[in-house]
Amino acid sequence: GENVEQHPSTLSVQEGDSAVIKCTYSDSASNYFPWYKQELGKRPQLIIDIRSNVGEKKDQRIAVTLNKTAKHFSLHITETQPEDSAVYFCASGYSTLTFGKGTMLLVSP
Amino acid sequence: GAVVSQHPSRVICKSGTSVKIECRSLDFQATTMFWYRQFPKQSLMLMATSNEGSKATYEQGVEKDKFLINHASLTLSTLTVTSAHPEDSSFYICSASSGQGATGELFFGEGSRLTVL
Repeated sequence: GENVEQHPSTLSVQEGDSAVIKCTYSDSASNYFPWYKQELGKRPQLIIDIRSNVGEKKDQRIAVTLNKTAKHFSLHITETQPEDSAVYFCASGYSTLTFGKGTMLLVSP
Repeated sequence: GAVVSQHPSRVICKSGTSVKIECRSLDFQATTMFWYRQFPKQSLMLMATSNEGSKATYEQGVEKDKFLINHASLTLSTLTVTSAHPEDSSFYICSASSGQGATGELFFGEGSRLTVL
């Protein structure tokens, strides 16, 4: 089955800095790569996703890049704000999704 | 976006009892729903894929007789934890897809925190 590795497990940045979270996957058939943000005790919320026919997607301060050859994809958050603090999960798959272990992002004012 | 509602949000039960958790898609029809388990500070672990009108597909290591899943309609899937024990205490979350399988956007329920005494 699919194996998703996510790094780093924790990331601390100063407000205004950029944050990058990276994931690798194993199944070359995977064609959908979403990123979720989960605040403590709450449900995961989709923040951005990318499909295998696209290399990069951007939505305001958030961007995702995908390298299918290398089987890795990354989340980029620019101009971070304290409210960006949360756990971020990447996922990969086609009929079902496999989630990475999560990255706890802490943005200090 | 689409709304998925999960109930109850919290449940405390005695060891040996059974607990049912409901997952409803409120404004769209979900052919497929997914059930996850999440331990504190850990990721979402897929337990099973629930298909409307057919048997659920369980992930390796998940006891199908322990975690009964029923997907009787396009808007409702239920997870029943049978004869619950303290080690079953966890955060259970469902999700539903607006597209084919899991490659349409996934919408998550609020989650159900189960505590077994």
